[in-house]
Formats: sequence, C-alpha cells, structure tokens
Amino acid sequence: DIVMTQSPDSLAVSLGERATINCKSSQSVFYSSNNKNYLAWYQQKPGQPPRLLIYWASTREFGVPDRFSGSGSGTDFTLTISSLQAEDVAVYYCQQYYNTLSLTFGGGTKVEIK
Amino acid sequence: EVQLLESGGGLVQPGGSLRLSCEFSGITFRGYVMTWVRQGPGKGLEWVSGISGSGDSTYYADSVKGRFTISRDNFNNTLFLQIKSLRAEDTAVYYCAKGYYDSYYLDHWGQGMLVTVSS
Repeated sequence: DIVMTQSPDSLAVSLGERATINCKSSQSVFYSSNNKNYLAWYQQKPGQPPRLLIYWASTREFGVPDRFSGSGSGTDFTLTISSLQAEDVAVYYCQQYYNTLSLTFGGGTKVEIK
Repeated sequence: EVQLLESGGGLVQPGGSLRLSCEFSGITFRGYVMTWVRQGPGKGLEWVSGISGSGDSTYYADSVKGRFTISRDNFNNTLFLQIKSLRAEDTAVYYCAKGYYDSYYLDHWGQGMLVTVSS
C-alpha cells in the first residue's frame, strides 16, 4: 500500500494569513503516460462529509475558492490556503488514487484560528 | 444535482451482519466508479472498498477483505455494501462516494451513516 503522511497534525493560523499543509507519499503517484499526479485534497468540517477541494494535485474543484491551491509532484505535495477565513476551520486530508486496488488517505491536518 | 442517499446503518452485535445501501441520483450511475469510505469515532478517513462502473471489478482494504462485499445495481442506481462477521473496530460512520468516471478522486459524498458494533 502507498502510505500517505501529512504534516503537521494541526496548525493554528491568524485570519488572513497563509496556511500550508504537507503530504508525502511512500512512492510516487505520478503517472508518466498522462503526466498526472494522482493526488486529491479534501476538507471536512465537523458533522459533515468530506468535500473535494483539489484533484490531479493542482486542479481546483468547481466552486472551491481560489485561495485554495495545490502543488507538488511525485511524492511531495502541498495544500495552501493563501488567506485563511473563519469558514476554513476544518480537517484537511490528502488521498492518493494512483493505486486503485488500495486507495489511501493521509492522517489529516486540523486547521484552527490563532 | 448529484445526490447520494445512504441507508441500512444501525446497531449490530459482534459477529452480526448488515447491508448498507447508497441510492444515487442526478446523473447516469453506471458511468462512474464508486467507493465506500469509513471514519471511526474521532479518527481519520479509511477507504473500505471500490467498484468499477460496470461492477466487474471490485477492490477491498485488507482490513475488510473476506468479510465485506461491494456490489451495484446500475438499473436501480444503487450501491451496496454487504458486511458480515462484524467486529467492534468496524464501528464507524460509513460514507458512499462517487468517483469521476474511472478516476478515484471522490467528487460527491453521501451524508454518512453510523454503524455501531456492540453487545
């Protein structure tokens, strides 16, 4: 299985400041035949199902504010919230879908307001 | 609008069985891969099982292999998860989630249903 490791486990950021979440996969999730990284990011608020934010490592899902961005390739990825808003308080998960026999999620990063 | 409506959760004794359902509406069901993802109390997301659009290919996490069976009825737009030999560690909120055609990034999720395994 591909192990997904997120860091930090939690972070507190002031309103309007940048939040950065890292995700590392135990093996590359880049597929050279189509030049795509099979990496997604989700946001989960308390009592709600996860919401897809980013797929193919950097493509923003329709309706997701442009303060959310994804970057990285191969084994190292980052989710950035450029200017944290109160409604962004949530837990964020990365997920690889390179290995469809066994999808895996990162452990989650809790984002709070400082 | 895509909607996923789950049913079938509840309290079950250890060793018992349940059949979870996820009714899909809004677009053509058979065109998309589907998955089940669970979340234990206070824990992160754990992928449980996936199925191709045709239903011909199925995939399972090691933790549920041999006990859980995923299936789909493309005529009635419904996804199923038959779970048996339930253990306390299977206690979780179970979500059904839709992939994007044959890619397993999950763009729509159900609201989730609680399965509690306890005597």
